[in-house]
Amino acid sequence: DIQMTQSPSSLSASVGDRVTITCRASQSITSYLNWYQQKPGKAPKLLIYAASSLQSGVPSRFSGSGSGTDFTLTISSLQPEDFATYYCQQSYSTLPYTFGQGTKLEIK
Amino acid sequence: QLQLLESGPGLVKPSETLSLTCTVSGGSISSSSYYWGWIRQPPGKGLEWIGSIYYTGSTYYNPSLKSRVTFSVDTSRNHFSLKLSSVTAADTAVYYCASVGAVAGRLDPWGQGTLVTVSS
Repeated sequence: DIQMTQSPSSLSASVGDRVTITCRASQSITSYLNWYQQKPGKAPKLLIYAASSLQSGVPSRFSGSGSGTDFTLTISSLQPEDFATYYCQQSYSTLPYTFGQGTKLEIK
Repeated sequence: QLQLLESGPGLVKPSETLSLTCTVSGGSISSSSYYWGWIRQPPGKGLEWIGSIYYTGSTYYNPSLKSRVTFSVDTSRNHFSLKLSSVTAADTAVYYCASVGAVAGRLDPWGQGTLVTVSS
């Protein structure tokens, strides 16, 4: 299995802050990396696919970058509705697709 | 717009078989653009990929669950299903279905999820 490691596991930030979350793959996954946002009691929501493509309807303050093994999700200016848990997911290998352990973004 | 909805029992006894169905609306399950996936999330924990199925019946199972999992698809009813046998308390989780993009493997949209508790 391809292991996905996110850092940090949790993060405290304030409204208006710029925040970066990192995801590292145990082997190269080229650009097959997706990012999701999950709020309590809700299903995950796709934010970024193919490492850097913004899903339709997602605010432009979200951006993704990286290729190979190292990827980042950046929120340029945190809004109150952005406090949630974020997951990366590799879709390079279907046996199996794997997720990072999640990064919980909390209000400072 | 594609929508998915999980259905099935919320309580399953240990050693029995968990059965869930995901009904697709707003599009055809026979679309070549998608696979159809299952993901689960134990309470308070992260996401685990269970596997996916194509409308032709081709399946991809997580090796960690492969011996206990069976997927099926019913194109006439526009739904696909999950069976997980010999369940234990460790299988207690919210189970999600999702469409899986055939090109980039992105999961979108997701169903709302259904909590399945394994308990006697």
